[in-house]
Amino acid sequence: ELKVEQNPLFLSMQEGKNYTIYCNYSTTSDRLYWYRQDPGKSLESLFVLLSNGAVKQEGRLMASLDTKARLSTLHITAAVHDLSATYFCALTTGTASKLTFGTGTRLQVTL
Amino acid sequence: DAGVTQSPTHLIKTRGQQVTLRCSPKSGHDTVSWYQQALGQGPQFIFQYYEEEERQRGNFPDRFSGHQFPNYSSELNVNALLLGDSALYLCASSSVTGAYEQYFGPGTRLTVT
Repeated sequence: ELKVEQNPLFLSMQEGKNYTIYCNYSTTSDRLYWYRQDPGKSLESLFVLLSNGAVKQEGRLMASLDTKARLSTLHITAAVHDLSATYFCALTTGTASKLTFGTGTRLQVTL
Repeated sequence: DAGVTQSPTHLIKTRGQQVTLRCSPKSGHDTVSWYQQALGQGPQFIFQYYEEEERQRGNFPDRFSGHQFPNYSSELNVNALLLGDSALYLCASSSVTGAYEQYFGPGTRLTVT
């Protein structure tokens, strides 16, 4: 059974500084997704990573995937308040298209 | 192009009652998945429907059932509600042509008292 762990669970960030969220998973996966969720809202898709070494960037966020280490990272550059939210990684495996989510990382950006 | 829609937005039910939640997929999508998200946790997969049949199921009791209609819309039914069923219920749609990338609806917040 696929297990997905994220750390840290909570991250208090200072504006302007850089931070990294880690997503570890237990078995081979087809695709890795990163989602953002604002309080009480639905999930917003940020990135889809398909292969080893994949890197995607959008604004201050950059996601990467190392399938050999079964690790994905979400790097935040020069944090700003608008990035405050909960971030989830999620994976699909084999022919199953169901998503297995990590525990989530709540980011809070302070001045 | 309308995205995934869900109804109702919120509802409050009493223990033991039954509830039906509805989802309309994004245009062009033929697969609907349902997830339960308890407060402070990640979403948990309930089941997935394709061609009007349940294709995959997560670790949820039989009290949770669903249906998919010919127009690809879907319903989630929960019987004999428990306090622990209080959660945000998310519907996601996808298609094989889109490599099953899932698009989430706004969710239905269910409170069981």
